[in-house]
Amino acid sequence: KAGVTQTPRYLIKTRGQQVTLSCSPISGHRSVSWYQQTPGQGLQFLFEYFSETQRNKGNFPGRFSGRQFSNSRSEMNVSTLELGDSALYLCASSLTGNSYEQYFGPGTRLTVT
Amino acid sequence: AQSVTQPDIHITVSEGASLELRCNYSYGATPYLFWYVQSPGQGLQLLLKYFSGDTLVQGIKGFEAEFKRSQSSFNLRKPSVHWSDAAEYFCAVVQNSGYALNFGKGTSLLVTP
Repeated sequence: KAGVTQTPRYLIKTRGQQVTLSCSPISGHRSVSWYQQTPGQGLQFLFEYFSETQRNKGNFPGRFSGRQFSNSRSEMNVSTLELGDSALYLCASSLTGNSYEQYFGPGTRLTVT
Repeated sequence: AQSVTQPDIHITVSEGASLELRCNYSYGATPYLFWYVQSPGQGLQLLLKYFSGDTLVQGIKGFEAEFKRSQSSFNLRKPSVHWSDAAEYFCAVVQNSGYALNFGKGTSLLVTP
């Protein structure tokens, strides 16, 4: 079974631009979570979706948003990019709404210049 | 709020030596705990998990971890380290607000010949 896939793997953007990252969960998994990883802050939870509904949100500004589609694929969007948004963005999927085991994708490396 | 602390930022061990990575949790009830490993440029791979029951849990790649309530610890162990084990290791706990994970800052493992 294929793992979690994320596209693109690498991205370079300029301050003020917006970006959309995509995540395809493991087949059959219905919950998708997003995390930001930086050297200074470590791994921080962004949001979690299940059946197209955001159930949980981390402490990030409103510039960070996401959505989930009926096929469980998810996207996250960051508007008005700042230099501090440079990070590895990781997507994770879980089998059901009650499963705590999360399986991570390889991440999207975003660089903001 | 649930949190985990990894006291060691870097650890160096010789190939073939035993390994113990420390993780302390902060939570009143029985926490749901995980260990993940991240190789350079890659996402997180789940090594093992603890939800309840037997306090010694076995994982992949020859790793095990022991849950000790009296010490609020969930340390990761391996009897004989291989050079391919060099990576970043993260301890994580499920948030009580939902299905998100709170991660420790990570321990970087270096394996010397």
